[in-house]
Amino acid sequence: NAGVTQTPKFRILKIGQSMTLQCAQDMNHNYMYWYRQDPGMGLKLIYYSVGAGITDKGEVPNGYNVSRSTTEYFPLRLELAAPSQTSVYFCASRGQDNSPLHFGNGTRLTVT
Amino acid sequence: EDQVTQSPEALRLQEGESSSLNCSYTVSGLRGLFWYRQDPGKGPEFLFTLYSAGEEKEKERLKATLTKKESFLHITAPKPEDSATYLCAVQAPGGYNKLIFGAGTRLAVHP
Repeated sequence: NAGVTQTPKFRILKIGQSMTLQCAQDMNHNYMYWYRQDPGMGLKLIYYSVGAGITDKGEVPNGYNVSRSTTEYFPLRLELAAPSQTSVYFCASRGQDNSPLHFGNGTRLTVT
Repeated sequence: EDQVTQSPEALRLQEGESSSLNCSYTVSGLRGLFWYRQDPGKGPEFLFTLYSAGEEKEKERLKATLTKKESFLHITAPKPEDSATYLCAVQAPGGYNKLIFGAGTRLAVHP
């Protein structure tokens, strides 16, 4: 039981490039989330999903896109990377809407 | 506006020196308050959930308490391995996205 797995761990992008951050969970959780964490700030919600085929915007969705074709995978797509997207990205999941989140170990992204 | 504020931002303790971290919130209809521990380069790791005022949870040297406006994470006789950032999050009514995180308290315990 691996929990939530994120790849890659680190990535450097040039301005204008695109990439996909991968997230997989093996706990059969319906709810999945993408957060970004910036120094001195609380985790900010980018996108979330309540089940396969259902996604919705969070607090800071601009510049990102998601898809959820299966229960297990919830990739985050960055199009036209900008320096403001330099951050640490965390994927999380939970089984019910009021239960604790299980987090992956994050992807540290730098855009230069 | 729903808000979560953690204090202090950073705390330095000597090994064995007990202290408390604070998480104050302004949320109507609290559905749960969560404490997480985050080590450098890792994702947050779940510690406790509290659902109602007066509730307390304990785990080793940590004890979490909840009132109607704030939660405390008490650390008794801390050890260097307790050094981490402690995050508080509040589940508000209104949907699956209504989990609001504080900025965290960075705790350093020195031998």
